[in-house]
Amino acid sequence: DAKTTQPTSMDCAEGRAANLPCNHSTISGNEYVYWYRQIHSQGPQYIIHGLKNNETNEMASLIITEDRKSSTLILPHATLRDTAVYYCIVRVIEAGGYQKVTFGIGTKLQVIP
Amino acid sequence: DVKVTQSSRYLVKRTGEKVFLECVQDMDHENMFWYRQDPGLGLRLIYFSYDVKMKEKGDIPEGYSVSREKKERFSLILESASTNQTSMYLCASSFSGKVPNIQYFGAGTRLSVL
Repeated sequence: DAKTTQPTSMDCAEGRAANLPCNHSTISGNEYVYWYRQIHSQGPQYIIHGLKNNETNEMASLIITEDRKSSTLILPHATLRDTAVYYCIVRVIEAGGYQKVTFGIGTKLQVIP
Repeated sequence: DVKVTQSSRYLVKRTGEKVFLECVQDMDHENMFWYRQDPGLGLRLIYFSYDVKMKEKGDIPEGYSVSREKKERFSLILESASTNQTSMYLCASSFSGKVPNIQYFGAGTRLSVL
């Protein structure tokens, strides 16, 4: 799986958009970008994924650059409940469907009142 | 909703004890995973299983074993617990060969080995 690089921490004012960057410059053509988050004392939770196109769901938007070497997770109106560690993961489904996932350190997002 | 249930949220054990961490999922997922999470190290994969009675070592299998006798249940075993196994343990499950491949996590078990 391609390696990802994320900032260690970020702050965002409540109600503003939180933009979380991820660099994955070694991504391969068949690798997807996934985002998870982990709220304190809970297990990680899936947020969104994408391959080439920008994606949006009820939780967030994912913007992937045209060369696919980086992406940005956008929380359009951050709330205090969005304070969490956000993980960007790039991975491909291996032969047989075995799916090892490498979670890095992630970005600790602090939403400030 | 997918539910992944870990048997204990908090566990305190003594050095040398045999420890069982249980995980049950209710979505008929083929794949199940055990991770440990330590400050500054992120999540590290211990073992995963892609089918009943099948298992694969992850990145840090030493000191651990696993058991998957039924599809819905995946157990992590510490044969002789040591203090360096004090950690948060997370179980996850997912469908096999499906895109998107989403892993669903349990709430975690915080294990302290004294």
